[in-house]
Amino acid sequence: AQSVTQLGSHVSVSEGALVLLRCNYSSSVPPYLFWYVQYPNQGLQLLLKYTTGATLVKGINGFEAEFKKSETSFHLTKPSAHMSDAAEYFCAVSLLFQGAQKLVFGQGTRLTINP
Amino acid sequence: DTGVSQNPRHKITKRGQNVTFRCDPISEHNRLYWYRQTLGQGPEFLTYFQNEAQLEKSRLLSDRFSAERPKGSFSTLEIQRTEQGDSAMYLCASSPAEGYGYTFGSGTRLTVV
Repeated sequence: AQSVTQLGSHVSVSEGALVLLRCNYSSSVPPYLFWYVQYPNQGLQLLLKYTTGATLVKGINGFEAEFKKSETSFHLTKPSAHMSDAAEYFCAVSLLFQGAQKLVFGQGTRLTINP
Repeated sequence: DTGVSQNPRHKITKRGQNVTFRCDPISEHNRLYWYRQTLGQGPEFLTYFQNEAQLEKSRLLSDRFSAERPKGSFSTLEIQRTEQGDSAMYLCASSPAEGYGYTFGSGTRLTVV
């Protein structure tokens, strides 16, 4: 069964510092992996996704993630944090069923940016 | 493309009352999903429609919950005899037949008092 573990429920960085949000997955088949961002009282917005091909995936707002099969990881990074990056971030793995996708989410990491 | 629209955005109801939420997916998307998100948790899958057919329901979807998608367009999620444990954000998402990743709506936040 697919599952996702996000290490660290809260991460705090200074503005301009590196952002690193950790995600490890468990999957019995080659995974499709996603990162979503959620701002307060909003739905989820897709940041980036890995399906096949290049293991380094670039997304919106300067974020990127690297799929490492040997480490079963899909960590999210951004070289320089901005105040507007403060939000909740969710990693998810896709489970295919009935011709569609069911997303299994991690518990989320709340990112705080210090001025 | 106006995105996925959910109404209402917020709903406060008394325990025991029935509530109904509506989701309007992106018009060309034939797949529609409902998720529930409780405070401090990631979203959890509730149910999935392909066109008008409901193809899967989670164990989380008790007998008090029912979802429909008449004519394969908008969808409704009804909760009967609400309980305090039903308080959560209910998220709707849609996706096309091809490709990966959903488009989520802004959600309906339900508070049962």
